Amino acid sequence: AQSVTQLDSQVPVFEEAPVELRCNYSSSVSVYLFWYVQYPNQGLQLLLKYLSGSTLVKGINGFEAEFNKSQTSFHLRKPSVHISDTAEYFCAVGKTSYDKVIFGPGTSLSVIP
Amino acid sequence: GAGVSQSPRYKVAKRGQDVALRCDPISGHVSLFWYQQALGQGPEFLTYFQNEAQLDKSGLPSDRFFAERPEGSVSTLKIQRTQQEDSAVYLCASSPAGTSGGYNEQFFGPGTRLTVL
Repeated sequence: AQSVTQLDSQVPVFEEAPVELRCNYSSSVSVYLFWYVQYPNQGLQLLLKYLSGSTLVKGINGFEAEFNKSQTSFHLRKPSVHISDTAEYFCAVGKTSYDKVIFGPGTSLSVIP
Repeated sequence: GAGVSQSPRYKVAKRGQDVALRCDPISGHVSLFWYQQALGQGPEFLTYFQNEAQLDKSGLPSDRFFAERPEGSVSTLKIQRTQQEDSAVYLCASSPAGTSGGYNEQFFGPGTRLTVL
């Protein structure tokens, strides 16, 4: 079975500062890895995904993540955050293209002006 | 519309009432998923359809939860005799492909927020 850990439940950061949201996963098989963003009262939007190949993945809104197989991590980073990045961020894993996605508990990112 | 739609967006039910939540997936999408998101938590899988076939219902928390997709398009999640612990946001997602081929992104709807009093 797969599981996802997001160690930081809340991350406050000043506008234009860099941010890293941490994600660790466990799985006995190869998985796909995802980061989703959820703005207040909205559905989930895919930020980026790792399927295979290059371990550095670039997504929308200037976010990127690095897959580290040895550390079973998939941390999300952005070099300079904006107020509009304030949202809930979920790391997730999936086994196949048609399987359910297993989500972490989420990290609430608050950007302080 | 272009995306996944869900209705109603908000539902308040008295404990013991039955509710029905609707999901309209993106046209032509084969796969459909239901997730439950409790307050302050990540979404948790409930059930999965490929066309009209319910291939996985391992996440349904009790026999009070029932889902259907009779024509392989619109899906309904029904909760009988609602309890306070059923209060959550119910998310629907659809994906273009079934059990073959490479990765296919799941597109999420805005969710239905259910409050059981």
